[in-house]
Amino acid sequence: KAGVTQTPRYLIKTRGQQVTLSCSPISGHRSVSWYQQTPGQGLQFLFEYFSETQRNKGNFPGRFSGRQFSNSRSEMNVSTLELGDSALYLCASSLVNGGAPDTQYFGPGTRLTVL
Amino acid sequence: EDQVTQSPEALRLQEGESSSLNCSYTVSGLRGLFWYRQDPGKGPEFLFTLYSAGEEKEKERLKATLTKKESFLHITAPKPEDSATYLCAVQSRGSNYKLTFGKGTLLTVNP
Repeated sequence: KAGVTQTPRYLIKTRGQQVTLSCSPISGHRSVSWYQQTPGQGLQFLFEYFSETQRNKGNFPGRFSGRQFSNSRSEMNVSTLELGDSALYLCASSLVNGGAPDTQYFGPGTRLTVL
Repeated sequence: EDQVTQSPEALRLQEGESSSLNCSYTVSGLRGLFWYRQDPGKGPEFLFTLYSAGEEKEKERLKATLTKKESFLHITAPKPEDSATYLCAVQSRGSNYKLTFGKGTLLTVNP
């Protein structure tokens, strides 16, 4: 079974621009979560989507947004980029069964550099 | 708010020298505790999920255990290929599917 895929793998942008990152979950996984990883803060939760609905959102400004499509693929968007947005953006997918916690499987990440 | 603290921040071992990594957590109702391994420049790789105190899981040279306040990742006779950052995360009943991660332990195993 193919794993979580993320595109692009690397991005270089300048301050003020916007960027869109894409994530394709493992086949059959309907929940997609996004995380930001930086050396100082570690892994921080951005948001989670299921059935095209955002169910939870982390403590990030409104410049960070996302969406999920009917095939469970997801995108996240960052507008008006700041230097501090430079990070590894990770997508994770999981099954949803309503009972035991579902393991989240991560993609390789998108490395965003803001100049 | 869920909190996870991992120790030590970094650990250097000789090949074959067994040791343990610690993950202390504070949650309001644990749904699950997760261990991941992350190599430089890659996404975290899933290792174990633990659900309740007293549970243990093993995989090759790794064994994870769970109490009501902490989890340990025991590494027996490590090899250089076990070098990586090991991440611990929790999901609580009130977290709405969010994982809260610790900062990780950077393990280096020298040959």
